[in-house]
Amino acid sequence: GQNIDQPTEMTATEGAIVQINCTYQTSGFNGLFWYQQHAGEAPTFLSYNVLDGLEEKGRFSSFLSRSKGYSYLLLKELQMKDSASYLCAALDSNYQLIWGAGTKLIIKP
Amino acid sequence: DTGVSQNPRHKITKRGQNVTFRCDPISEHNRLYWYRQTLGQGPEFLTYFQNEAQLEKSRLLSDRFSAERPKGSFSTLEIQRTEQGDSAMYLCASSDREITDTQYFGPGTRLTVL
Repeated sequence: GQNIDQPTEMTATEGAIVQINCTYQTSGFNGLFWYQQHAGEAPTFLSYNVLDGLEEKGRFSSFLSRSKGYSYLLLKELQMKDSASYLCAALDSNYQLIWGAGTKLIIKP
Repeated sequence: DTGVSQNPRHKITKRGQNVTFRCDPISEHNRLYWYRQTLGQGPEFLTYFQNEAQLEKSRLLSDRFSAERPKGSFSTLEIQRTEQGDSAMYLCASSDREITDTQYFGPGTRLTVL
């Protein structure tokens, strides 16, 4: 079967760094996406990885290891507005997104 | 605004009624997706279109659900004989498969079935 695993909830302090992990099992693989979703709003695109390694985009970075079926999203210099759910999604062999349930990130001052 | 738009943003209906939602994708995006999302869960795939062709429909999707994209532009999702279990956020997303597989989401339609 196809499956995405990520922690349900994480807590971090404003100004700190947090890493949100994601493991995936899919039939075929064509890339890994991270989306941010604030409560009551639609998901917004953060990053896409298809090759192994780290992609950096401002305060956010995303890492992929295809051999381990593993990705993480790294958020630096946390701000209160980063409080949201972070969704990991893998693109399978049919180019369909398989979604995780999301990680709710709580930022404390 | 050239993003994905959805209407209505909120819909409250009584059990047994039919509802229809509309999605306008980013212009020239050839793929359009419908998802359903409930609290604390990721989006659940319902169906998607490549231009006007409906290429896949979730096997979990009841026959009460139907979607169209008649001219390959906007799409509608209809739910017939709504049930309380249909209460959810219905999300539409579009992508331009020729350039990227990134899906861009609309604001969603929140359905409440009483």
